[in-house]
Amino acid sequence: GAGVSQSPSNKVTEKGKDVELRCDPISGHTALYWYRQSLGQGLEFLIYFQGNSAPDKSGLPSDRFSAERTGGSVSTLTIQRTQQEDSAVYLCASSLGLASPYNEQFFGPGTRLTVL
Amino acid sequence: DAKTTQPPSMDCAEGRAANLPCNHSTISGNEYVYWYRQIHSQGPQYIIHGLKNNETNEMASLIITEDRKSSTLILPHATLRDTAVYYCIVRVISGGSYIPTFGRGTSLIVHP
Repeated sequence: GAGVSQSPSNKVTEKGKDVELRCDPISGHTALYWYRQSLGQGLEFLIYFQGNSAPDKSGLPSDRFSAERTGGSVSTLTIQRTQQEDSAVYLCASSLGLASPYNEQFFGPGTRLTVL
Repeated sequence: DAKTTQPPSMDCAEGRAANLPCNHSTISGNEYVYWYRQIHSQGPQYIIHGLKNNETNEMASLIITEDRKSSTLILPHATLRDTAVYYCIVRVISGGSYIPTFGRGTSLIVHP
């Protein structure tokens, strides 16, 4: 079956513009996660969804970042007024659920964002 | 904060066993240890997880010490394609749910 897909694979934008990053999780996966990975760094957790709700938004770096998920499936991460420090690979993952500690995550290929 | 400590880099000869250590001294009784790896320019890939017993699958073996404060991922016969960053993670609780938190991992280089 299809894995997690993300689009676009690459995005180059100018400082100050808004960008939208999309994630299509594996069908039937109720949990969805967004991470950010800067060059040479580990994965920075941003936000997760259980269904359509995001119980914890504290991982979002600033109020320029927002995310939504509709219909319990596709999620969109929006970055407003992009800054150069937003340049990174944005990774999405999904899993069957969250409450259990043994639900493995399946990651998408990521979106490489470059802010000029 | 990541709850695990790993060496930043290791190397291994092709065909040999690669043993990747991880310290998780503050792990609590109901937290699982997970291992993922990330090959260059790809998303992380699940390898294995365990609670307190040793585990083995087609990719690797996981050895967890009796006190659960450390573990070792073993790739029994490393190949060049195993060159990747390996992440040992312990799920932390956020909003009542388990959220995998990644550190910087170990960069494993398998050489001919």
